[in-house]
Amino acid sequence: GQQVMQIPQYQHVQEGEDFTTYCNSSTTLSNIQWYKQRPGGHPVFLIQLVKSGEVKKQKRLTFQFGEAKKNSSLHITATQTTDVGTYFCWGKTSGSARQLTFGSGTQLTVLP
Amino acid sequence: DTEVTQTPKHLVMGMTNKKSLKCEQHMGHRAMYWYKQKAKKPPELMFVYSYEKLSINESVPSRFSPECPNSSLLNLHLHALQPEDSALYLCASSHLMDSFNYGYTFGSGTRLTVV
Repeated sequence: GQQVMQIPQYQHVQEGEDFTTYCNSSTTLSNIQWYKQRPGGHPVFLIQLVKSGEVKKQKRLTFQFGEAKKNSSLHITATQTTDVGTYFCWGKTSGSARQLTFGSGTQLTVLP
Repeated sequence: DTEVTQTPKHLVMGMTNKKSLKCEQHMGHRAMYWYKQKAKKPPELMFVYSYEKLSINESVPSRFSPECPNSSLLNLHLHALQPEDSALYLCASSHLMDSFNYGYTFGSGTRLTVV
């Protein structure tokens, strides 16, 4: 099936530092979504990107969708301890209902 | 109501047992999903129901049997499971238009242990 690679796998940052996670697909995506899963919790939907080159912001979070619609990034400015968790991207291949996959996830630890 | 409710939250079952996981949503979502998640791994899609009909089965073993009695309910029937089936089972729902998923709402999951 479709592979959505996500890097890094783990990231430890000091509180106040920035953080970025990247998703890369070998095929063009029709849309990409981002989720956050707190330790012991369930994934929570953050945002969806659909358009080539799209940029969306939610407070300290900035989401980008690449021009070729094959990659995406999530950037957190000035991390806080509440940002701790695993961030997953989810992508759907254009033209197919079956290629539904989550990226491998980036586990973020924020040190106080 | 913006929640997906899953029961039970925890389940321990023997390999010869039959049990069912239940999921309910009242958001009017017409797509419902079962995902399996192992520790430190992403959720893996198992089944998709679209308008109460099974539309995707990701080659899941027959010891897992999904059922969608109506647009608000989704069940997962379990029989003769193996210890390696121990995982967090997540139910999700979404609006669905022309196969376009507008974002999953996940339940809190059932943590299943097979002994």
